[in-house]
Amino acid sequence: SQQGEEDPQALSIQEGENATMNCSYKTSINNLQWYRQNSGRGLVHLILIRSNEREKHSGRLRVTLDTSKKSSSLLITASRAADTASYFCATDDSGYSTLTFGKGTMLLVSP
Amino acid sequence: EPEVTQTPSHQVTQMGQEVILRCVPISNHLYFYWYRQILGQKVEFLVSFYNNEISEKSEIFDDQFSVERPDGSNFTLKIRSTKLEDSAMYFCASKQGSGNTIYFGEGSWLTVV
Repeated sequence: SQQGEEDPQALSIQEGENATMNCSYKTSINNLQWYRQNSGRGLVHLILIRSNEREKHSGRLRVTLDTSKKSSSLLITASRAADTASYFCATDDSGYSTLTFGKGTMLLVSP
Repeated sequence: EPEVTQTPSHQVTQMGQEVILRCVPISNHLYFYWYRQILGQKVEFLVSFYNNEISEKSEIFDDQFSVERPDGSNFTLKIRSTKLEDSAMYFCASKQGSGNTIYFGEGSWLTVV
């Protein structure tokens, strides 16, 4: 089965800076979703981008998808300390949306 | 905003005991899932459920696991005889329709001792 793999594994930035995380996957997908997880908590859905979309925005989030390169990126602009969390990409390649998660990027935003 | 709710939030059980984890998916959703996350590892798919039957399951979801939707609102995961390696955070999730966003609950921590 194919996987979403994020990089970097960890990212440390200052408040106000932008954070970019990348995700690569191996096979064709229906859509790709980004989630955030605070330590020990549930998965919070951030954004879904479909295979026929190239870019999507939601507030301070910008997601791109390049199906030719099988990659996606998540950009968080003007980061805040509250953005500190792990971020996961998850690919949906089946009719029943069996999501395949990557290992995630741990983002630390320092005040 | 509607949300997926899970109970218990944390359960400690002895090896060999049966455990039932409960979930109330979002009310108008039709697809239901269980995932798990062993501490420090990836979120892994266990099973998907649609139209009152299992639609997909992973290799992890062996005969020790079962799911049930006993009424119109609950969706349960049962582990018949727990093993130490079943210790993990178990997430329930649901979505409304094909291609839609999947929403996750806060998870149930299961510790097997």
